[in-house]
Amino acid sequence: QSALTQPRSVSGSPGQSVTISCTGTTSDIGRYDYVSWYQQLPGKAPKLIVYDVYKRPSGVPDRFSASKSGNTASLTISGLLTEDEGDYYCCSYGGLSVVYVFGTGTTVSVL
Amino acid sequence: EVQLVESGGGLVKPGGSLRLSCEASGFTFSKAWMSWVRQAPGKGLEWVGRIVSSADGGATQYAAPLKGRVSISRDDSKSTVDLQINSLRVDDTAVYYCTTDLTFWGHGSLVIVSS
Repeated sequence: QSALTQPRSVSGSPGQSVTISCTGTTSDIGRYDYVSWYQQLPGKAPKLIVYDVYKRPSGVPDRFSASKSGNTASLTISGLLTEDEGDYYCCSYGGLSVVYVFGTGTTVSVL
Repeated sequence: EVQLVESGGGLVKPGGSLRLSCEASGFTFSKAWMSWVRQAPGKGLEWVGRIVSSADGGATQYAAPLKGRVSISRDDSKSTVDLQINSLRVDDTAVYYCTTDLTFWGHGSLVIVSS
């Protein structure tokens, strides 16, 4: 099972919006509504920020929004803050034989 | 507050074995499905495997590249989940994270495989 494909990096100015894509296949993103997103700040453990395609855990700001279309999921960060700088990973359920597959990761830079 | 604390990491020679342990608190551990995820230095996240709750059968599932070399077990009486890795290779060097099936994450335990 190959990793889901994400852009290596995206950047934006404070206050702007950035969108990160996550491309999978008909065996993972295209088949299941179990896409999650993780934020990993420098030197820290990953933190869940979106689950089940678009749902946010308690405490995650609504500046983070997500969706899915076909085999591609997307995460949008609105109103960029410097504290949003870090790596972001998508993840999809891939069925019983694969279970979970992560994306390649995207580094968000706030210019 | 959910807490996951990994232990057991360190320096191991190629071909050796290592057992990582994760102690959980702040939730009903016996009902939780638990996963391990690893991250090689400067690389992305890789799902290692998971164990379902005992009530749901306690089955384990592993990532295909690691099948046969890893095993996950749990002790609900101690709220712990262990990851055993055998025949360690240099490319097993990574931070290993314990998670509540990818929802809550521990701080990770570093495993270095080197001669």
